[in-house]
Amino acid sequence: SAVISQKPSRDICQRGTSLTIQCQVDSQVTMMFWYRQQPGQSLTLIATANQGSEATYESGFVIDKFPISRPNLTFSTLTVSNMSPEDSSIYLCSVRSGFDYNEQFFGPGTRLTVL
Amino acid sequence: GENVEQHPSTLSVQEGDSAVIKCTYSDSASNYFPWYKQELGKGPQLIIDIRSNVGEKKDQRIAVTLNKTAKHFSLHITETQPEDSAVYFCAASSSNDYKLSFGAGTTVTVRA
Repeated sequence: SAVISQKPSRDICQRGTSLTIQCQVDSQVTMMFWYRQQPGQSLTLIATANQGSEATYESGFVIDKFPISRPNLTFSTLTVSNMSPEDSSIYLCSVRSGFDYNEQFFGPGTRLTVL
Repeated sequence: GENVEQHPSTLSVQEGDSAVIKCTYSDSASNYFPWYKQELGKGPQLIIDIRSNVGEKKDQRIAVTLNKTAKHFSLHITETQPEDSAVYFCAASSSNDYKLSFGAGTTVTVRA
């Protein structure tokens, strides 16, 4: 399986500010995703990060709030913009490799607290 | 879209006993069913999966079963150990879009 790292692992931010989360994979992957996991809850897909083009957002998530970049096949960033306390969550990067298109792996997550 | 329901929400078992978590899904097109284990402070880890052309799959102390007719699948953990304590998520996806739909999660506590 791919080894996924995220930076930062956790952060405490003030409302109104923005935070950019980085996701690095140790091998080229076909698909990259960003998920949100609110405290004690399940995983919700924010968007699919498309290499070289705009990300595909799920219902309820917009580019202005969660801009995403994916400059190559091993790296992506998610920015949480104009943060409010409701944005306090774990943000998870996830990937699918080309070997088994179904298998999906997750990074360690970024734990964000907004004050 | 796909709707995955997971039960129970919490499960406490004595060390050495078995644990069973059950999930149902709504979309008959779903054909891939993974299970993830999430330990405190970590990301979800894929522990086992099953595809729609298989009824059962085992990996050491872990097994999954799938009933396509009833649209439900289950995770079985035998001889539970304290390190099995975690939150477990089931999920489902189809070949149409490969998007994973997750259950709400089950918090498993193994009592020593």
